[in-house]
Amino acid sequence: GENVEQHPSTLSVQEGDSAVIKCTYSDSASNYFPWYKQELGKRPQLIIDIRSNVGEKKDQRIAVTLNKTAKHFSLHITETQPEDSAVYFCAASKRGDSWGKLQFGAGTQVVVTP
Amino acid sequence: DVKVTQSSRYLVKRTGEKVFLECVQDMDHENMFWYRQDPGLGLRLIYFSYDVKMKEKGDIPEGYSVSREKKERFSLILESASTNQTSMYLCASSFLITPTDTQYFGPGTRLTVL
Repeated sequence: GENVEQHPSTLSVQEGDSAVIKCTYSDSASNYFPWYKQELGKRPQLIIDIRSNVGEKKDQRIAVTLNKTAKHFSLHITETQPEDSAVYFCAASKRGDSWGKLQFGAGTQVVVTP
Repeated sequence: DVKVTQSSRYLVKRTGEKVFLECVQDMDHENMFWYRQDPGLGLRLIYFSYDVKMKEKGDIPEGYSVSREKKERFSLILESASTNQTSMYLCASSFLITPTDTQYFGPGTRLTVL
């Protein structure tokens, strides 16, 4: 089955700097890659996603890139702010298979220091 | 606005007890999922259901069972709770067929088994 690896497990950045989280996946048939953010004590929420027919997607200060050949995708956060502190999870799935089942990475704890 | 609720935020049980965790969604979603979340391990899928009375095993189904008698409700059952089932349990739901498979999560139940 699909295996998703996520690095780093923790990431400390100064406010205003950029943060990058990387994920690799094993199943070349995977075609949908969402990112979820979980603030302390709260539920995970989708922040951005990308499909395999797109190489990059941006939404204000966050962007996701996908390299299908290398089977990896990354989350980029620019101009980090204290409210970006959270655990971020990447995930992968195959549309049309497994009923929308997502395989999640282990998560990255991001700490933004003022 | 999608709402996924879970019956308890915190639960303390004793080893050997039968435990029921309930999840309710109000968006007429076909898919429902149960995950457990442990530090460093991310979100691991226990069971999922794509229709009433239908269920599929996830990655870690041992020691758990599920029930889905109504579309909006998905229950996770620990037949005989053990200390290694102490964890955060998250429920999620999604539409069966959409361009993306966005999963909407409940607030979680932190279960402690003594």
